[in-house]
Amino acid sequence: DTGVSQDPRHKITKRGQNVTFRCDPISEHNRLYWYRQTLGQGPEFLTYFQNEAQLEKSRLLSDRFSAERPKGSFSTLEIQRTEQGDSAMYLCASSTGLAQGGELFFGEGSRLTVL
Amino acid sequence: QQQVKQSPQSLIVQKGGISIINCAYENTAFDYFPWYQQFPGKGPALLIAIRPDVSEKKEGRFTISFNKSAKQFSLHIMDSQPGDSATYFCAASMDFGNEKLTFGTGTRLTIIP
Repeated sequence: DTGVSQDPRHKITKRGQNVTFRCDPISEHNRLYWYRQTLGQGPEFLTYFQNEAQLEKSRLLSDRFSAERPKGSFSTLEIQRTEQGDSAMYLCASSTGLAQGGELFFGEGSRLTVL
Repeated sequence: QQQVKQSPQSLIVQKGGISIINCAYENTAFDYFPWYQQFPGKGPALLIAIRPDVSEKKEGRFTISFNKSAKQFSLHIMDSQPGDSATYFCAASMDFGNEKLTFGTGTRLTIIP
């Protein structure tokens, strides 16, 4: 399967702990995106990378959130000092670029539950 | 600020019927309008998309109708099947290198026999 893969699929943690999610995009895609989806809502944009450069960050991405894509391949999203409000599905997507006529391919998401 | 408003929140349609989901947007700079389909436990998958240079796009049983002056677009699913039961999201993005999609709140579609 050469789709977008995310790990772990599910994570349960206690408030105050740090968590990290990993995303492996489709290999030929140079754009990588993180979205957050809460129950009953559409995905909300968090940030995106073109190769290793983080080009845009949403105001939703507080100081406790950090995303990296060190070699322009896989990406990690870390949440420090988790809060119950961080409970959501974190979706990763990759693309050749919307502006270039590409489409976003989403992974199956990493579901975070903060107790 | 919610920039893409989607309705209805849920929809029940009989098998073989037409499912219609509507979206309205505020930002006139939007120029790419995709529809995504999401099954439980899965990520969203692109279904069909349109740019404002055309008023309608059809792919199989799925059609997008676009009304630029009203700032509205809709998804029509013809001959709806039980396998179409899913949550559908409209979305929009701007041109000029913008890579951010703004999603609607979703419509849960149920097709009954």
